[in-house]
Amino acid sequence: GQQVMQIPQYQHVQEGEDFTTYCNSSTTLSNIQWYKQRPGGHPVFLIQLVKSGEVKKQKRLTFQFGEAKKNSSLHITATQTTDVGTYFCCSSSNTGKLIFGQGTTLQVKP
Amino acid sequence: ETGVTQTPRHLVMGMTNKKSLKCEQHLGHNAMYWYKQSAKKPLELMFVYSLEERVENNSVPSRFSPECPNSSHLFLHLHTLQPEDSALYLCASSQDPTGGNGELFFGEGSRLTVL
Repeated sequence: GQQVMQIPQYQHVQEGEDFTTYCNSSTTLSNIQWYKQRPGGHPVFLIQLVKSGEVKKQKRLTFQFGEAKKNSSLHITATQTTDVGTYFCCSSSNTGKLIFGQGTTLQVKP
Repeated sequence: ETGVTQTPRHLVMGMTNKKSLKCEQHLGHNAMYWYKQSAKKPLELMFVYSLEERVENNSVPSRFSPECPNSSHLFLHLHTLQPEDSALYLCASSQDPTGGNGELFFGEGSRLTVL
């Protein structure tokens, strides 16, 4: 079935360093969503990208959707301890239902 | 407060028990979902209800039985579970009845442990 592959699985950074997680698919995606799950919490919606090459920013977070709509990235500039958590991408499957990537767990050392 | 409420938050059950998880959404959404989240695995979609009809059953064993009596409530009935069913069960809702677009609103989850 359709899969969305996300890398890396884990990332440890020093506070103030940048962080990027990548989401890749072998098929064209109609859209991509990003969620954040804090430790012990539940996934919370961050953003949705729909257009080819789209770039959206939320403060220190930059989201990109590839030109071919087969990949996406989330970049955090100057990480803070509040950024700790697992970041998931997800997209609509060919049946129209949302399929999640494996997630990237970010640890930030103060 | 997410607008999606799940009870119980924690549940411990034996393999022969019967229990139910409950989800209620206060957002006026048209679609509701059950997801399973196990350690080191991606979120696994279990069931989707759109406008109170089940539209997706993702090859889930019959020991999990969903029920959607109305657009605001969703249940997951559990019976004769296995220890590998221990996981966080997340309920979500969305405005889009097809489930393919728009934001998912998750509840805080029910942490299930099967002994």
